[in-house]
Order: sequence, then C-alpha cells, then structure tokens
Amino acid sequence: EAQVTQNPRYLITVTGKKLTVTCSQNMNHEYMSWYRQDPGLGLRQIYYSMNVEVTDKGDVPEGYKVSRKEKRNFPLILESPSPNQTSLYFCASSTFTGTGKVWQFFGPGTRLTVL
Amino acid sequence: QKEVEQDPGPLSVPEGAIVSLNCTYSNSAFQYFMWYRQYSRKGPELLMYTYSSGNKEDGRFTAQVDKSSKYISLFIRDSQPSDSATYLCAMRGSGGSNYKLTFGKGTLLTVNP
Repeated sequence: EAQVTQNPRYLITVTGKKLTVTCSQNMNHEYMSWYRQDPGLGLRQIYYSMNVEVTDKGDVPEGYKVSRKEKRNFPLILESPSPNQTSLYFCASSTFTGTGKVWQFFGPGTRLTVL
Repeated sequence: QKEVEQDPGPLSVPEGAIVSLNCTYSNSAFQYFMWYRQYSRKGPELLMYTYSSGNKEDGRFTAQVDKSSKYISLFIRDSQPSDSATYLCAMRGSGGSNYKLTFGKGTLLTVNP
C-alpha cells in the first residue's frame, strides 16, 4: 500500500528541547516536502527536497532543518523549538510522470505543542 | 497584497448544486495550479493539477485557469455530502525553484443532504 508515514503523530515538548519528526515514503518518489498548517494562516511550505541531498527552503524555513540522505526519508528537525512552532505538520511525497500526471500523497500529520 | 487569495467561506450548498471555488494570485511566474481537498483531521489530497491556462475535467470536477486574469476556479458538479471538506488552491512556478508551493488559506464547503 502506497503511504507516507510520520512519527510521532502527537508530541508535547518544552522550549529548547531538540526534536525530530520523521517522514518516510514507500513509493520511490523523488520529491518530498514539509508543511505546517495553522488556523487562519493555511498551509505553508517549510522545506522541500527534489532528490537525495537536494533540499531548498519553502516559505517558512526559519527554526527548522531538514536532511535527505536516503530517498525514502525526509526528517524535520527543530533544534531549539519555541512556542510559535506549535502547529500541525504534514509531510508529502510526489512524483511527476512524463505525461504530465502528478502523484502526490500526504502523511497523516503530526500535532506538535511546544510549551 | 498576498500572493494567493482565497475566500475562506464557509460555503454551504444543497446536495446536487454546482459549487464554484476560486482563487486569485498576484505572481505572474506561477505556471502550475493545484486544488486539494482536506477532510477534518486528515492530510490534504490532491484533486486537480493543471499547467498554464485552460480547463481540465476529472469526473465531477473541473479546474479552470485564466492566467490573463490571474484567476483559477474549481467547479464541482452534482455536489454530494461527501464533498464537504476544506478546499485549498496552490500554485508554483517553473524553473530552478519549481517545487516551492504557495497555498491559499482554503475554503470550507458544506454540502447539505
């Protein structure tokens, strides 16, 4: 079954305590990305990756790091979380076919609370 | 002016109605346009993906892009209660940063039986 998995699904932490949210996909997709979703602000892209070792900033990269050492994994790292990073986070993977079709799947989301 | 504007609604329609959802944008570099559906407490689901201007149809869904007016639409025909969700538009350019997506804030749609 094609899927994007994220862990943990829920996390409550404290300011300054480093954390990593993992994202893994089983579809061999080239593209992966991270988003945060906040009430009134919608969905905003944090980082994206076009392939292994190729990443770039989205609209709101401050306070986040990513790495893409393997095609299937794209972890999101918060080195020193702050309360303004409390949000719902989604990982997504996608691929584009030669006929212009796009396959894109989102993970189930990670609800993060930073106290 | 925000790059992508989308009326948040809420929009409430009776079952069977034709629904029209819209977004406007300001960045003329946007070349690819997407519509997503997001059910409560779930991740977004890609519904439609179009390139440049024109129409694209998929079942009950039709996406329209008018680049001259910087305006995109999603039409849902014969709407069903199962279409009740938040609909998000998104767009991106082409070239070097061709996977940076910008989203609208979403429109909450309720289809009443």
